[in-house]
Amino acid sequence: QKEVEQDPGPLSVPEGAIVSLNCTYSNSAFQYFMWYRQYSRKGPELLMYTYSSGNKEDGRFTAQVDKSSKYISLFIRDSQPSDSATYLCAMSKTGANSKLTFGKGITLSVRP
Amino acid sequence: DAGITQSPRHKVTETGTPVTLRCHQTENHRYMYWYRQDPGHGLRLIHYSYGVKDTDKGEVSDGYSVSRSKTEDFLLTLESATSSQTSVYFCAISESASGTSYEQYFGPGTRLTVT
Repeated sequence: QKEVEQDPGPLSVPEGAIVSLNCTYSNSAFQYFMWYRQYSRKGPELLMYTYSSGNKEDGRFTAQVDKSSKYISLFIRDSQPSDSATYLCAMSKTGANSKLTFGKGITLSVRP
Repeated sequence: DAGITQSPRHKVTETGTPVTLRCHQTENHRYMYWYRQDPGHGLRLIHYSYGVKDTDKGEVSDGYSVSRSKTEDFLLTLESATSSQTSVYFCAISESASGTSYEQYFGPGTRLTVT
């Protein structure tokens, strides 16, 4: 079992839809949880991060972490064509020299 | 791209030839990373550096070596390129003020094809 699992997709939704992206993980030592967005032929960019459990909201984006279930989610409200990209979840333990473990990413397409 | 450049951006090379990719940052960040991204595998860490001359292996380090002689430069070398090393390579940087390296900034990538 890989440490981080992410649905491979792809996912296609109409403009305005609510999108739910999810990852599961197996390592209970993970404390930092991140979502990266990657546009075609570009490098990933940090979208949101959460420390430990809970929710975090930023505009149309909400990140949720449920450590008891080892499950994280990213919700996108009122999705726009500009949200079309690949979304990667990533996780890290605490401590110096901690490294990120990435999910494989899911490609989202928002249809006008 | 947070002051990170990668060179070359595209390269086609033949099996068995050595290849060096360069990552240059202007952010003075301590940590630097090399990843490869392949369909079906996502981003996988090759090597990383936590300071000048301080490097360590990632999960897919076989066939790769790195060097960091200056804070701003991190080199990735394929000693003898193989077709399995055809990939998109990303450099990333981070500054670990809190003791973690969670916030990484990525470069634009290098598309390498080994024929």
